[in-house]
Amino acid sequence: QSVLTQPPSVSGAPGQGVTISCTGSSSNLGTTYEVHWYRQLPGTAPKLLIYANNNRPSGVPDRFSGSKSGTSASLAITGLQAEDEADYYCQSYDNSLSAWVFGGGTKVTVL
Amino acid sequence: EVQLVESGGGVVQPGGSLRLSCIASGFTFDDYAMHWVRQAPGKGLEWVSLISRDGHTTYYADSAKGRITVSRDNSKNSLYLQMDSLRAEDTALYYCAKDVRVGLTTDYLDYWGQGTLVTVSS
Repeated sequence: QSVLTQPPSVSGAPGQGVTISCTGSSSNLGTTYEVHWYRQLPGTAPKLLIYANNNRPSGVPDRFSGSKSGTSASLAITGLQAEDEADYYCQSYDNSLSAWVFGGGTKVTVL
Repeated sequence: EVQLVESGGGVVQPGGSLRLSCIASGFTFDDYAMHWVRQAPGKGLEWVSLISRDGHTTYYADSAKGRITVSRDNSKNSLYLQMDSLRAEDTALYYCAKDVRVGLTTDYLDYWGQGTLVTVSS
């Protein structure tokens, strides 16, 4: 059971958009600690996708955006492409556990 | 170019020990804290441990406390994970990752290695 909760899967047609939620609690997302997102393509290592709630590293297209409010966060992907099929993970820090925490991951399928 | 290369994984019997290594290049190693994160087959990411830049401060997930020890040798740009009393549930791909901390509330993992596989089985 992950500290941060994500839906196991979401799907959308090419060109459409999807949103992945990440729900936490008062000791992680409900604090000032920020949320970060990682994308893991099949058979590869995770890669940073969004940092500090809504910032994109160099090279990440603006089709990806993040937000955080209260004890929840979300990752939005617009203009879905086949290459977006991957697992997506949210991450933050939990000050009750004194631990870095991940969501359980969400598999994005492009129909 | 930042590179993180893990090694040391393998098959070990329950109760056995293993030492994982991660060699870093492309950045000033002793300027950054480092993480270990693992991923059981077909499962999600699980944070394991963090070690501070100077190696003097360490943090562990509850699942790792008492059995796993993180260390580093800045002179060799190397990170280590000593795993003892291994259990079947420790079977996973173990990644090392570089930490980025900005201020008090921004802390994420910006580069990851390709991982080394640990299999605990009799």
